[in-house]
Amino acid sequence: AQSVTQLDSHVSVSEGTPVLLRCNYSSSYSPSLFWYVQHPNKGLQLLLKYTSAATLVKGINGFEAEFKKSETSFHLTKPSAHMSDAAEYFCVVSERNAGNMLTFGGGTRLMVKP
Amino acid sequence: NAGVTQTPKFQVLKTGQSMTLQCAQDMNHNSMYWYRQDPGMGLRLIYYSASEGTTDKGEVPNGYNVSRLNKREFSLRLESAAPSQTSVYFCASRTGIDYGYTFGSGTRLTVV
Repeated sequence: AQSVTQLDSHVSVSEGTPVLLRCNYSSSYSPSLFWYVQHPNKGLQLLLKYTSAATLVKGINGFEAEFKKSETSFHLTKPSAHMSDAAEYFCVVSERNAGNMLTFGGGTRLMVKP
Repeated sequence: NAGVTQTPKFQVLKTGQSMTLQCAQDMNHNSMYWYRQDPGMGLRLIYYSASEGTTDKGEVPNGYNVSRLNKREFSLRLESAAPSQTSVYFCASRTGIDYGYTFGSGTRLTVV
C-alpha cells in the first residue's frame, strides 16, 4: 500500500530565504510523485512531477524536488521565498498497481513573512 | 479556457436532502476522480472512473454515488446528506498514468 507523510504541518519563512517542505513516501513499486499547491479558496495546481526520469525535477515558480529512493523522500525546495508562495502544499504518490490513484499527504501550510 | 469545471461552487443542504455535484472536462481525458478535502487530512478519494463506462470506489465512498455520463462528465450524488459530508469537493481528470491531474476549483458543501 502506498502512503505519504508530510513531516511539517506548518512552515514559516522570511521572504527571500530558502524554502524546504519535507515529504516521505511509502510505496511497494516504483511510484510517480507529485507536488501540488493550493492557494486560499482555490483549486490545486500541479507544481512538478517525478515519473522515473531525472531524479531532480524542476517545476513552476522556481520550485524543485529531488527523488531519493534510498531515503524514500521527495522534498520540495525553493532558493528564495516570495510572498506569493504562501499557500498549502501537498505531496502526492501514485502507483501503477494501485490503480494509479493518488494518495495525498496531509498538507504543509507555508507562511512567508515580509 | 480548457480545464475542469465544477458546479455549484457553494451549497448549503439540510440533513437528509439530496443533491448532485456536476463536473465536466474539455481536455479529452480518460480518467476522472472525485475527492473530498477536510482540514489536516489532505484529499481523500471518493470515487473514480478510469475510463468512460467504468466507475470504482475509492477510500471513502459511503454515502455517495457517481455517474460517468460520457467522456466529459462525471457527477457525484449525495442521496441523503449528513453533517459528516460537510467538506470541499474536488473533481479531477487526467489522460494517463504518468500525467498529473487537473483539478476543478472545488465545491464547498455545508450540511446543517
